[in-house]
Amino acid sequence: GDSVTQTEGLVTLTEGLPVMLNCTYQTIYSNPFLFWYVHYLNESPRLLLKSSTDNKRTEHQGFHATLHKSSSSFHLQKSSAQLSDSALYYCALKGTGGYKVVFGSGTRLLVSP
Amino acid sequence: DTTVKQNPRYKLARVGKPVNLICSQTMNHDTMYWYQKKPNQAPKLLLFYYDKILNREADTFEKFQSSRPNNSFCSLYIGSAGLEYSAMYLCASSRDRAANERLFFGHGTKLSVL
Repeated sequence: GDSVTQTEGLVTLTEGLPVMLNCTYQTIYSNPFLFWYVHYLNESPRLLLKSSTDNKRTEHQGFHATLHKSSSSFHLQKSSAQLSDSALYYCALKGTGGYKVVFGSGTRLLVSP
Repeated sequence: DTTVKQNPRYKLARVGKPVNLICSQTMNHDTMYWYQKKPNQAPKLLLFYYDKILNREADTFEKFQSSRPNNSFCSLYIGSAGLEYSAMYLCASSRDRAANERLFFGHGTKLSVL
């Protein structure tokens, strides 16, 4: 079945350094949608960005990701981490014609001064 | 209002007792989902409603029930709680089942079974 693999566990960064959270996926669908959800403490998880277009960069709130179907990847990046970026990040996959959203296990990002 | 509401936020249950969790949304979304989230694990889809049609995942088919009396409400029912049911339960909704539709999540209900 479909699966998503993310950078495991905890990523700690100093404020101002670049962020890169890895996400790779496996799916039977040729045109999947890939999502990044962010879960801040005491809030609901919410969508950060999404894409289904191969090799096109998508951006939101300073974060960006590019879907590369050749390598089945959708890594999340940001040029300069901020303290407020500390949160749990989920990569997720939904296949065209499917109903099921498959999540990775999440990567906790902790940004320190 | 783009919120999904879940009640209660925290739930304590005894082994062998039933548990009922509630979720509501006022966005007129067709689809509502229930996920189970345990520490360091991916959120696991338990079941979802598309309109009035319930779809349960094969590996949790017998463990969870659900009802959707109207478009806004969806419940998750555990007939006899076991220790393994301790987890965060996340409710989510989406406008429809289309692949590009995002999920709107509630805050979750943290269930502790003792």
